[in-house]
Amino acid sequence: KQEVTQIPAALSVPEGENLVLNCSFTDSAIYNLQWFRQDPGKGLTSLLLIQSSQREQTSGRLNASLDKSSGRSTLYIAASQPGDSATYLCEEDPGNTPLVFGKGTRLSVIA
Amino acid sequence: DGGITQSPKYLFRKEGQNVTLSCEQNLNHDAMYWYRQDPGQGLRLIYYSQIVNDFQKGDIAEGYSVSREKKESFPLTVTSAQKNPTAFYLCASTLGQGAIYEQYFGPGTRLTVT
Repeated sequence: KQEVTQIPAALSVPEGENLVLNCSFTDSAIYNLQWFRQDPGKGLTSLLLIQSSQREQTSGRLNASLDKSSGRSTLYIAASQPGDSATYLCEEDPGNTPLVFGKGTRLSVIA
Repeated sequence: DGGITQSPKYLFRKEGQNVTLSCEQNLNHDAMYWYRQDPGQGLRLIYYSQIVNDFQKGDIAEGYSVSREKKESFPLTVTSAQKNPTAFYLCASTLGQGAIYEQYFGPGTRLTVT
């Protein structure tokens, strides 16, 4: 059964720092990988989607990379702000079975 | 504005009662999904539907039922057979199946059963 692991479970950084969130998955034959943000008590908001043929995607201060051979993805956040505080979830689409989500990394950016 | 709506935002029920959670989308998406989220856990798939009048069980379908009579709507019923129904329920949709399709989520319904 496919699994997605996110490390660390929680992270606290001072405002302005660059940071990296990690996601590892067991199935290298993925369709795509998606990063989401979730604020407390709210639904998930899609941040970036990387197709299996792509190595990275960028949106503003966010950059997500995908390395299928090692089963890893990273979400890089540049110049972090207090408004970035949220839980970040990684999700893998295996293609022929339902999506698999990690448990998330809870990020706190301290002003 | 296109999107997914879930109602109500908060729902309270007594144990032993069935309850139906609403999910509506105006994105013209074919596939719809129901997830359950518990504290400290990832999302777990309850049911999904890739097309009208068809749906499949996810990892934790026991005690739940769904219908997909219209493309826009995918209601979830939490039955009295569900042993631990208190949770945050999220509905999602995608345009289709494939590498290019993002998943869109609704705002969620928090169900409390006492």
